[in-house]
Amino acid sequence: DAKTTQPTSMDCAEGRAANLPCNHSTISGNEYVYWYRQIHSQGPQYIIHGLKNNETNEMASLIITEDRKSSTLILPHATLRDTAVYYCIVSARPPRQNFVFGPGTRLSVLP
Amino acid sequence: GAVVSQHPSRVICKSGTSVKIECRSLDFQATTMFWYRQFPKQSLMLMATSNEGSKATYEQGVEKDKFLINHASLTLSTLTVTSAHPEDSSFYICSARPGTGGGETQYFGPGTRLLVL
Repeated sequence: DAKTTQPTSMDCAEGRAANLPCNHSTISGNEYVYWYRQIHSQGPQYIIHGLKNNETNEMASLIITEDRKSSTLILPHATLRDTAVYYCIVSARPPRQNFVFGPGTRLSVLP
Repeated sequence: GAVVSQHPSRVICKSGTSVKIECRSLDFQATTMFWYRQFPKQSLMLMATSNEGSKATYEQGVEKDKFLINHASLTLSTLTVTSAHPEDSSFYICSARPGTGGGETQYFGPGTRLLVL
């Protein structure tokens, strides 16, 4: 079973920020939080990952709570192309890395 | 960077035949590659993990004699579905993890859709 829980679905208006939450209350000290997304009929696309500090890249920001029991992926200006299923995954780093995919959050960006 | 390709993108075969799917890391060397399967409206399920030059490690419930994995080089892994049956019809996705630099992340291929008639 996945170690994370996410909302089944969310809507976001185009141009607005999309905030996708993830609960991982049983996360271990050596486990990272990874975010991927899957657009219909494609392979998952890497977005971002982090351990305890907030992270930002050209795609998104990752905010991890101080107790590391939850995190939020932020897409600052959602576009229609961001419509996808977003997966939050908790895993140790290599060589013990093991990705268990849950059902994810289906984000619909609306015009 | 970090591009993974799969070939073919889709394949249709008759029941009882074997199908080979290739996974290539195009711009990095992958010491570890993974094979996942995704049935319609379900999430990805890990089938096996392969390290270059060694035997693959299969997840519980995945038949190693049916799903043959070869990771002969640092840029190529193959999955052969032997004696395919209709229940093997699925979306097969590979991922690759760089050996150095970015080695904490898996990069996924575009997937191969298999239909067994």
